[in-house]
Amino acid sequence: DIQMTQSPSTLSASVGDRVTITCRASQSISSWLAWYQQKPGKAPKLLIYKASSLENGVPSRFSGSGSGTEFTLTISSLQPDDFATYYCQQYNSYFSWTFGQGTKVEIK
Amino acid sequence: QLQLQESGPGLVKPSETLSLTCTVSGGSISSSSYYWGWIRQPPGKGLEWIGSIYYSGSTYYNPSLKSRVTISVDTSKNQFSLKLSSVTAADTAVYYCARVNRFYGMDVWGQGTTVTVSS
Repeated sequence: DIQMTQSPSTLSASVGDRVTITCRASQSISSWLAWYQQKPGKAPKLLIYKASSLENGVPSRFSGSGSGTEFTLTISSLQPDDFATYYCQQYNSYFSWTFGQGTKVEIK
Repeated sequence: QLQLQESGPGLVKPSETLSLTCTVSGGSISSSSYYWGWIRQPPGKGLEWIGSIYYSGSTYYNPSLKSRVTISVDTSKNQFSLKLSSVTAADTAVYYCARVNRFYGMDVWGQGTTVTVSS
């Protein structure tokens, strides 16, 4: 099974900060990586697919990069609505999809 | 606009079978472009993919749950369902259904339903 490891687990930041979250896969997944945002009591929301493609309607301050085993999600200028938990997910194979453990972005 | 809605009992006894249904509205479950999946989230923890199904009935399950999971589809009702047998307290979670695309990931989610395993 492919394991996904996110870092950090928690991140404290201020409005306007540039924020970067890292996700590492235990083996190569090409670019088959998605990023989701989840707020308390809500379903996850797709932000980024295929490592760097922005989902329709997602603000351009969100961006994704990477391939193989190393990936990053960047928020260029953190906004109040961005305080949430972020998950990466690999979908290299239909047979097994895996999420990272999540990164909580908190107000500093 | 596509919407997914989970339904089923909110309380299940230990050793029994958890059964949930996801109803798809605003689109067809028989679309060749999508799979349909179940994901769960225990209280205060992360997301776990349970399994996915194609409208034809092809299924893929998380290896860690495979022995207890059955996902089925009813195209006439535009629904797909989850059964998880021999549940324990560790199966207490919010259960989500989602539309799954091979290229885009999970792009549409239901609101989630809380299932508690307790006697």
